[in-house]
Amino acid sequence: AQTVTQSQPEMSVQEAETVTLSCTYDTSESNYYLFWYKQPPSRQMILVIRQEAYKQQNATENRFSVNFQKAAKSFSLKISDSQLGDTAMYFCAFMKQTSGSRLTFGEGTQLTVNP
Amino acid sequence: DAGVIQSPRHEVTEMGQEVTLRCKPISGHNSLFWYRQTMMRGLELLIYFNNNVPIDDSGMPEDRFSAKMPNASFSTLKIQPSEPRDSAVYFCASTPLGQGLFSSGANVLTFGAGSRLTVL
Repeated sequence: AQTVTQSQPEMSVQEAETVTLSCTYDTSESNYYLFWYKQPPSRQMILVIRQEAYKQQNATENRFSVNFQKAAKSFSLKISDSQLGDTAMYFCAFMKQTSGSRLTFGEGTQLTVNP
Repeated sequence: DAGVIQSPRHEVTEMGQEVTLRCKPISGHNSLFWYRQTMMRGLELLIYFNNNVPIDDSGMPEDRFSAKMPNASFSTLKIQPSEPRDSAVYFCASTPLGQGLFSSGANVLTFGAGSRLTVL
């Protein structure tokens, strides 16, 4: 079974600064997908960024980027130029390619952006 | 598209009552998932459907929980009888079926806004 670990329950950052959220996972699979979802106080789960494991190039989406280290089974999220609206719970998630789109989530990291 | 639509947004009920949560997936999405979120257990998959057929219900906690998908545009999650430990946020999510690349939309789950259930 796959496990996803987010070792930082809470983090805070000053507005306009950069923050990195950590995620590690454990799997014996070679083909899989990784995701970061954001859950603001509205509780809506919003996709932030996604990565296909066969791609060595790290995914980027505007101010969000990942550092994907396949050998280390690490998938960290970097948020640049943090904004107040980035305050949310962030979940790292794993999907085995043959799992029928099932997601396994980490415990989450509560990020607070301070003015 | 209006996204994945869940109802009710909030439900408060008393122990022993029947609870029905509803979900309308995005049109054209033929995989549908029910997740439960609690402080203690985080986000856990309860059941998922492909083309209206339940594929894996191993996450359903016990016989008090049941889920149906009578057609491609509607699913229900029912708890009967409800207990205080069922209090949680229940999410429905959908995605196009398939193992294609992200560019096809496959394997990217879109979540509804969730239904917060409180059982007193």
